[in-house]
Amino acid sequence: SQTIHQWPATLVQPVGSPLSLECTVEGTSNPNLYWYRQAAGRGLQLLFYSVGIGQISSEVPQNLSASRPQDRQFILSSKKLLLSDSGFYLCAWRDTLNTEAFFGQGTRLTVV
Amino acid sequence: AQTVTQSQPEMSVQEAETVTLSCTYDTSESDYYLFWYKQPPSRQMILVIRQEAYKQQNATENRFSVNFQKAAKSFSLKISDSQLGDAAMYFCAYRSMEYGNKLVFGAGTILRVKS
Repeated sequence: SQTIHQWPATLVQPVGSPLSLECTVEGTSNPNLYWYRQAAGRGLQLLFYSVGIGQISSEVPQNLSASRPQDRQFILSSKKLLLSDSGFYLCAWRDTLNTEAFFGQGTRLTVV
Repeated sequence: AQTVTQSQPEMSVQEAETVTLSCTYDTSESDYYLFWYKQPPSRQMILVIRQEAYKQQNATENRFSVNFQKAAKSFSLKISDSQLGDAAMYFCAYRSMEYGNKLVFGAGTILRVKS
């Protein structure tokens, strides 16, 4: 069966520090992958999505970037975090066998 | 670009009663998917119901049903016999059939269930 792993679950980082959040999917091939950010009590903002290795579509040009070095690995990065980068980050995947997307457990990022 | 609008930030319903959550979307595509997801306090995203745009019949999953009006670009969720466990944030979502299968969400509606 397919599973998605997202880590870390919680992260506290100082302003100006780098960021790397990782998402890995198991049990599927060539999935669509998505990164979302959710501010406190707010909706899900689509940040990046990917249809394959090295193929990244950006929805919100900002302080973040994404990479897909392997078929089932999706990484969200920043060179220098801002206070406004705080939030709850969710990774999701979908493959051709499924209509809906499945979500990871999320990472709560606090920039201090 | 596709957008999803949920105009109700919060809704309340009495236990065992029925509540309807609203959702509208904007797209130029003729084929797409629509979803309702539930996010309880654990923040885990749970699929509630899905609707394929080319199907005229409204989807139903037990106590959950949708009213899909394609021409009006409306996709509301009806919860019957509301239970305390239904209390959560509900998100309406649109998935494109175009390259990338972009999946966008509305701002969410907080549903409170009163006992």
